[in-house]
Amino acid sequence: DIQLTQSPLSLSASVGDRVTITCRPSQNIRSYLNWYQQKPGKAPKLLIYAASELQSGVPSRFSGSQSGTDFTLIISSLQPDDFATYYCQQSYDGPPYTFGQGTKLDIK
Amino acid sequence: EEGLVESGGGLVQPGGSLRLSCTASEFKFYSSDMVWVRQAPGRGLDWVAYITASGHTTSFGDSVKGRFAVSRDNAANSLFLQMNSLRVEDTAVYYCARARSYDILTGYNDAFDIWGQGTMVTVSS
Repeated sequence: DIQLTQSPLSLSASVGDRVTITCRPSQNIRSYLNWYQQKPGKAPKLLIYAASELQSGVPSRFSGSQSGTDFTLIISSLQPDDFATYYCQQSYDGPPYTFGQGTKLDIK
Repeated sequence: EEGLVESGGGLVQPGGSLRLSCTASEFKFYSSDMVWVRQAPGRGLDWVAYITASGHTTSFGDSVKGRFAVSRDNAANSLFLQMNSLRVEDTAVYYCARARSYDILTGYNDAFDIWGQGTMVTVSS
């Protein structure tokens, strides 16, 4: 199965900061990579699909990019509502589907 | 509003069985592939099972293969997860979600765009 490695696993930032989270797959997955946000006690929410496509209703401060085989989630200007855990997920050979370990973003 | 609601979680002893249900509303359930995803306390997301819209094809994660089964009743807008031979390590919140296929240049990318609120399963003696 394809493994996804996220970095960093935890991150402290301030409101207004630009934040980047990276997801590195164990093999080439083309653009079959999605990003989710999860808040404590809540279900995950789809933010970005196919590496860079913004899900309907998601604020434009969220974006996704791909450089070679690596993927990045970018939050251009952190808002108080953005403090959460973020996961990447691949669907290249899915099912099986796999998720990254998660990146916890908290307030500095 | 499009939604999913899970039910059926609870406390069960190791080796026991449990059946989870997931009811869909306000979207075309009958034409939607579906998945179950779980999250152990304090841990990350773990994909468990997948079923096509017709119910003819299923797939499972290695940790549950041979113990769990997934099925659906499209007439009732319902998805099910039958969990047998439960282990302590199956303790988790179980979510159902829609697996939407987004058409991209190189094929179809499956992303989980509608989620239920989750139901807690605790396996303990």
